[in-house]
Amino acid sequence: GESVGLHLPTLSVQEGDNSIINCAYSNSASDYFIWYKQESGKGPQFIIDIRSNMDKRQGQRVTVLLNKTVKHLSLQIAATQPGDSAVYFCAENTSNAGGTSYGKLTFGQGTILTVHP
Amino acid sequence: DAGVTQSPTHLIKTRGQQVTLRCSPKSGHDTVSWYQQALGQGPQFIFQYYEEEERQRGNFPDRFSGHQFPNYSSELNVNALLLGDSALYLCASSPPGAKNIQYFGAGTRLSVL
Repeated sequence: GESVGLHLPTLSVQEGDNSIINCAYSNSASDYFIWYKQESGKGPQFIIDIRSNMDKRQGQRVTVLLNKTVKHLSLQIAATQPGDSAVYFCAENTSNAGGTSYGKLTFGQGTILTVHP
Repeated sequence: DAGVTQSPTHLIKTRGQQVTLRCSPKSGHDTVSWYQQALGQGPQFIFQYYEEEERQRGNFPDRFSGHQFPNYSSELNVNALLLGDSALYLCASSPPGAKNIQYFGAGTRLSVL
């Protein structure tokens, strides 16, 4: 069935360190993955996405790695800052045979990232 | 340019009552998806509206229904509220042709007593 899960529920790092948040997914048909950041009292905020035909994508201070062989996704945050403290979710999506996305995102449980000054 | 807006921000109801939550999508977006987020969990997909019709539905009972208006705004209705319906309800909107690109509002916190 469709499920997306996270290995670690909490992660504490020092300011300036690099952070790595992991995610496992089970639906081999998923072809699009997104990382969201959710701060207290706010809705999820888009961070970065990656399609299944890629294995790495970089953004500003963030990198997403996709390993389809083991169905694993990770988010790397470089030089983590206190403002990065939040809950991070991975989400997956599937498209139909014609490549049209259904837009039904399946979210994992989330990882709480705490950055200490 | 306003993002996705939801109202109300907080709501308290009692068991058995009915509730309506509202969502205005981001300007230019035509698809609205609704999610339920229980405390400490990730959002769960309820349903999606496009061209004023429900296009996809998650594993939620018929007590959950919705509507989309010609201006693309949307409502989520929940009937016969249960204690377990207490959650943060999130609305997400998507631009034309990209339903997987979803921008979320801040949500409505529903408490059922």
